[in-house]
Amino acid sequence: SAVISQKPSRDICQRGTSLTIQCQVDSQVTMMFWYRQQPGQSLTLIATANQGSEATYESGFVIDKFPISRPNLTFSTLTVSNMSPEDSSIYLCSVDPDETQYFGPGTRLLVL
Amino acid sequence: KQEVTQIPAALSVPEGENLVLNCSFTDSAIYNLQWFRQDPGKGLTSLLLIQSSQREQTSGRLNASLDKSSGRSTLYIAASQPGDSATYLCAVRPTNAGKSTFGDGTTLTVKP
Repeated sequence: SAVISQKPSRDICQRGTSLTIQCQVDSQVTMMFWYRQQPGQSLTLIATANQGSEATYESGFVIDKFPISRPNLTFSTLTVSNMSPEDSSIYLCSVDPDETQYFGPGTRLLVL
Repeated sequence: KQEVTQIPAALSVPEGENLVLNCSFTDSAIYNLQWFRQDPGKGLTSLLLIQSSQREQTSGRLNASLDKSSGRSTLYIAASQPGDSATYLCAVRPTNAGKSTFGDGTTLTVKP
């Protein structure tokens, strides 16, 4: 199993600013996943972060908008850059160390 | 491309009723299927994981079944309680290293 924590749990931000979300796992994992869940929608994978290499982004997501760091096997950050109201979502960190997928509690972001 | 559908989108039942949530997928070549629960504004909690070789998994009042050939899974909740009120999502993984595809979820309300 895996226990995941995220910071912040929620935030209200102004248009044009950036927010960095932190994800901490209680065990070492190879891959960490970042998802976005827009209001009333299901989950969309943003990128997969491997330690020691650049993140792999899904179609429609780019590094300039969502830079990711993965400094070690238990931690990752996702930055939402130059935010607009369309970025208002829940951002979720996830790992799958034993084929079961686990999620963090999410970061609820509102952009005004 | 795998598509995952959950019908109905919303379901309301009186307390104590047994109920079934449905999950359909278009590509039967799956590695596993996982059911999650999500409370409003929160992360996802794993409920049950079914490997492609399995027919069902049980945990307490929950029972999940898998019929790969027909592309269907069901989540059975026995003796529903108000605390079961949440959105239930299913996710299908194509390979052990593949990315999961999520359904849109069924929002369950159990009335006291």
